Amino acid sequence: IAGITQAPTSQILAAGRRMTLRCTQDMRHNAMYWYRQDLGLGLRLIHYSNTAGTTGKGEVPDGYSVSRANTDDFPLTLASAVPSQTSVYFCASSDGLAVANEQFFGPGTRLTVL
Amino acid sequence: GQNIDQPTEMTATEGAIVQINCTYQTSGFNGLFWYQQHAGEAPTFLSYNVLDGLEEKGRFSSFLSRSKGYSYLLLKELQMKDSASYLCAVKDSNYQLIWGAGTKLIIKP
Repeated sequence: IAGITQAPTSQILAAGRRMTLRCTQDMRHNAMYWYRQDLGLGLRLIHYSNTAGTTGKGEVPDGYSVSRANTDDFPLTLASAVPSQTSVYFCASSDGLAVANEQFFGPGTRLTVL
Repeated sequence: GQNIDQPTEMTATEGAIVQINCTYQTSGFNGLFWYQQHAGEAPTFLSYNVLDGLEEKGRFSSFLSRSKGYSYLLLKELQMKDSASYLCAVKDSNYQLIWGAGTKLIIKP
């Protein structure tokens, strides 16, 4: 059972380049999320999707876009990377929107923008 | 604004008990979660509280007081593998999780 996979594990990117972080889950969860985690700050929500075909903006959506063509995949795209997007990115999923449903996290992608 | 506060770092001794506090101010409340995150790894779920009181799960317990906007995570019989960051998160009125910055717990032999 893989759970949630993310690719790449890490990446160094030149500023201005386009980059897509991949996220796939095999738990058939409806809801998926993208967070960034920076030292000294809590996880911050970038974008989310409550079900396939729908997406929403989180706390820090600027500079990022997502799509949810099917249940399993939720890619995150940086159209033109900037150094402030250097961070660890986590994808997560949860089984529906019930309040008690915990989120399951992928292993993360460490992104450095130079 | 929304705010989750927890201590940045705590140190405890192997075999002892430690309490990690979390206070919150959020727009709405739909439950409070605790997650554990080892260095370089993903957060993993520990507990969920939505009603006042204590929830016990093995060596870990979590307490909630909604009137005080306060929770704590209690870890008993500390083991070296408990060295990790502990993240407090509140599900707000939009059903999104608002996260604290985490408490790094250092266990000494």
